[in-house]
Amino acid sequence: GAGVSQSPSNKVTEKGKDVELRCDPISGHTALYWYRQSLGQGLEFLIYFQGNSAPDKSGLPSDRFSAERTGGSVSTLTIQRTQQEDSAVYLCASSLRGVKNIQYFGAGTRLSVL
Amino acid sequence: AQTVTQSQPEMSVQEAETVTLSCTYDTSENNYYLFWYKQPPSRQMILVIRQEAYKQQNATENRFSVNFQKAAKSFSLKISDSQLGDTAMYFCAFRGQGGSEKLVFGKGTKLTVNP
Repeated sequence: GAGVSQSPSNKVTEKGKDVELRCDPISGHTALYWYRQSLGQGLEFLIYFQGNSAPDKSGLPSDRFSAERTGGSVSTLTIQRTQQEDSAVYLCASSLRGVKNIQYFGAGTRLSVL
Repeated sequence: AQTVTQSQPEMSVQEAETVTLSCTYDTSENNYYLFWYKQPPSRQMILVIRQEAYKQQNATENRFSVNFQKAAKSFSLKISDSQLGDTAMYFCAFRGQGGSEKLVFGKGTKLTVNP
């Protein structure tokens, strides 16, 4: 596609429910990143996928968070048993492989946990 | 671990004037990449400018330029001829050579351009 697409744009959920956030990267981009943007913590790295390599999950804050990337394209970030502190904007980015390459971001999903 | 510090939470500037946003970082790496991203109210992060640490010359993109001081670990952004559309959050980011190529961000500076 023309850019990184994320859905839904906004999500309101109740504490304890599970949520799934979706990211469609730019076509041909092999690297995909999830970041979380919250008032208290700023922008934090969550997870990184690169081709068929094992993902770097070092930024996931707890085992309630998981992500997968199917067919090397679309990615889903799942948060189980949501807590109020999970409220944040979840941003997805994609890039071609290599440190020189620019990460292009989607508009994010704003998650509100009531 | 790398850290990025933006010491100015908020700044304002008059339209057509020049403003400089500060950023410092901490790393033990010699080769790395630095970025300034802009985030308007639409939430989408947009790359403003990029600097490769091994290049001495400061990067420029139209009205945007950086002052990269490698020894001081400083990477400031200068916006010339400020426009109303420049109003946004600005984030400084670091990316090392190895590992997951993740970006490490500063806390951001909220810039307001006044008419």
